[in-house]
Amino acid sequence: DTGVSQDPRHKITKRGQNVTFRCDPISEHNRLYWYRQTLGQGPEFLTYFQNEAQLEKSRLLSDRFSAERPKGSFSTLEIQRTEQGDSAMYLCASSHSWTSRETQYFGPGTRLLVL
Amino acid sequence: KQEVTQIPAALSVPEGENLVLNCSFTDSAIYNLQWFRQDPGKGLTSLLLIQSSQREQTSGRLNASLDKSSGRSTLYIAASQPGDSATYLCALLGNTPLVFGKGTRLSVIA
Repeated sequence: DTGVSQDPRHKITKRGQNVTFRCDPISEHNRLYWYRQTLGQGPEFLTYFQNEAQLEKSRLLSDRFSAERPKGSFSTLEIQRTEQGDSAMYLCASSHSWTSRETQYFGPGTRLLVL
Repeated sequence: KQEVTQIPAALSVPEGENLVLNCSFTDSAIYNLQWFRQDPGKGLTSLLLIQSSQREQTSGRLNASLDKSSGRSTLYIAASQPGDSATYLCALLGNTPLVFGKGTRLSVIA
């Protein structure tokens, strides 16, 4: 097990284009989270999955954003019609359960720059 | 709504000093509090997790405390080293997914 992986690590795109990011969680983890982090800020929650079910979405997740986790394994986050304000680090995390002992393990992130 | 504040926003200390980072929160109904480290342009590494029923946790030169009644946590770093330079984030898990503070950016000068 090599931890949480994310692909790509960096993405530069032009405004209006669609982008898709992938996250592969730790294999035995059933929970998967997406966060967004802008410069000088802490990560902000976007959405999370338990197995293949998307259980919660933040108000930050506009209609242009969609996330999937088919078969409860890897997840994808798609941003349609990107805007300059979407430029941020997109972090994925996974965990085994939602308990007082839960630790979320984070991936290295995908840094998005929208020109 | 949970709000998390970290003070100071930035800190610069000479190597060898002991230091304290502060985290305050508004809602004491939490499952746990976690301290993370983030190096520039990288993901987060979990340092310590304190369950809501606990008051402190220790790992090596790091000690984290939790006082739910006052809504405060501290991260104590002993004998700081240049390799400790990073941003330190506290985060709380409650009825909503992790809520993070903005972090304290630490620089340890050799």
